[in-house]
Amino acid sequence: DTAVSQTPKYLVTQMGNDKSIKCEQNLGHDTMYWYKQDSKKFLKIMFSYNNKELIINETVPNRFSPKSPDKAHLNLHINSLELGDSAVYFCASSQEWSEQFFGPGTRLTVL
Amino acid sequence: SQQGEEDPQALSIQEGENATMNCSYKTSINNLQWYRQNSGRGLVHLILIRSNEREKHSGRLRVTLDTSKKSSSLLITASRAADTASYFCATDGATDKLIFGTGTRLQVFP
Repeated sequence: DTAVSQTPKYLVTQMGNDKSIKCEQNLGHDTMYWYKQDSKKFLKIMFSYNNKELIINETVPNRFSPKSPDKAHLNLHINSLELGDSAVYFCASSQEWSEQFFGPGTRLTVL
Repeated sequence: SQQGEEDPQALSIQEGENATMNCSYKTSINNLQWYRQNSGRGLVHLILIRSNEREKHSGRLRVTLDTSKKSSSLLITASRAADTASYFCATDGATDKLIFGTGTRLQVFP
């Protein structure tokens, strides 16, 4: 069984569009995260939710809006996509502040 | 700014050799973690070492932590082609979030 899953795996879209990436974890973890990995493999946290509550919100444009309908899901909605949003987005989860389990990633390409 | 810097950026070795990667960080930590990322995949947790620990082993992995120097090393012994991946250190500081290093790309040739 997949522990942390993301959909879609690949997303190609035009500038200005709005898109969403979904994440689900079946590990029973309380905390979920969104990371962005750029072309140089630099991985940076964007958001963190604990039991559906936002606890970390890094300096991310407000075009990015996370939504957690329940503690097993953390979706990422992006409005008005820009070229610079092209990256791989990873969802992760953890129990308390311990090892994190990562999803397979969503490669977003903005044309 | 980025917390962890890793050295070297890239490392190429033959199967059977040992691989050592180093990580330096800037602020005090509660623990330090190492992750592996295969090409096109998500990160996989390898090992966690707490700030009061100096050394930890897991199979062919050996991690050391020197909090006085704010540095850690990951040693992979008897490397295999399957160890080819990028390796990242990650630290938690006072901010309750993981800060990842720049990563070391390891290539193990058969």
